[in-house]
Amino acid sequence: GDSVTQMEGPVTLSEEAFLTINCTYTATGYPSLFWYVQYPGEGLQLLLKATKADDKGSNKGFEATYRKETTSFHLEKGSVQVSDSAVYFCALSGITGNQFYFGTGTSLTVIP
Amino acid sequence: DTAVSQTPKYLVTQMGNDKSIKCEQNLGHDTMYWYKQDSKKFLKIMFSYNNKELIINETVPNRFSPKSPDKAHLNLHINSLELGDSAVYFCASSRGQGSSPLHFGNGTRLTVT
Repeated sequence: GDSVTQMEGPVTLSEEAFLTINCTYTATGYPSLFWYVQYPGEGLQLLLKATKADDKGSNKGFEATYRKETTSFHLEKGSVQVSDSAVYFCALSGITGNQFYFGTGTSLTVIP
Repeated sequence: DTAVSQTPKYLVTQMGNDKSIKCEQNLGHDTMYWYKQDSKKFLKIMFSYNNKELIINETVPNRFSPKSPDKAHLNLHINSLELGDSAVYFCASSRGQGSSPLHFGNGTRLTVT
């Protein structure tokens, strides 16, 4: 069945460091891929998405490219800030559009 | 304007009690969901409704019963609460199409003592 495997955390980085959070997926057909962010005490918010191969989603300095050949959707940011400290979830939606599959989440802490 | 709102935000109750969590969305979405997030932040789908029809019903104790009076509302009723039910419960909605994302509420933190 469809699934998402996400890099385990926690991840601790210094401010302005480069961030990569790995995400790979298994899916039937051509899923849509998402990254969500959860700040402390809040719900999940959509960070970015990509709906077909080679699409690049971007938002707030974060980027992820839909790589069908490696079934990956790694999240990157060139220079993290303290305010980026949160839990990041990779997710896909299956061909029906009603079923979402989430990774286990990666906790990121950015220290000044 | 809040897109997906759920109440209450916090719920503290004793074992054996029955409680409900309410959820409403004003996005015009057809599909609504309940997720459970444990202390390790792992998200587990519980239920999903599309236009008031149950479409996803994962392995969840039958003490949990969803109710959807209309497509804008999906409530969760829990009978005979147990310690293990303590978690954060998230309501979410989507258009139900492949590229449409989930929109989450801010969660209800349930603590069973």
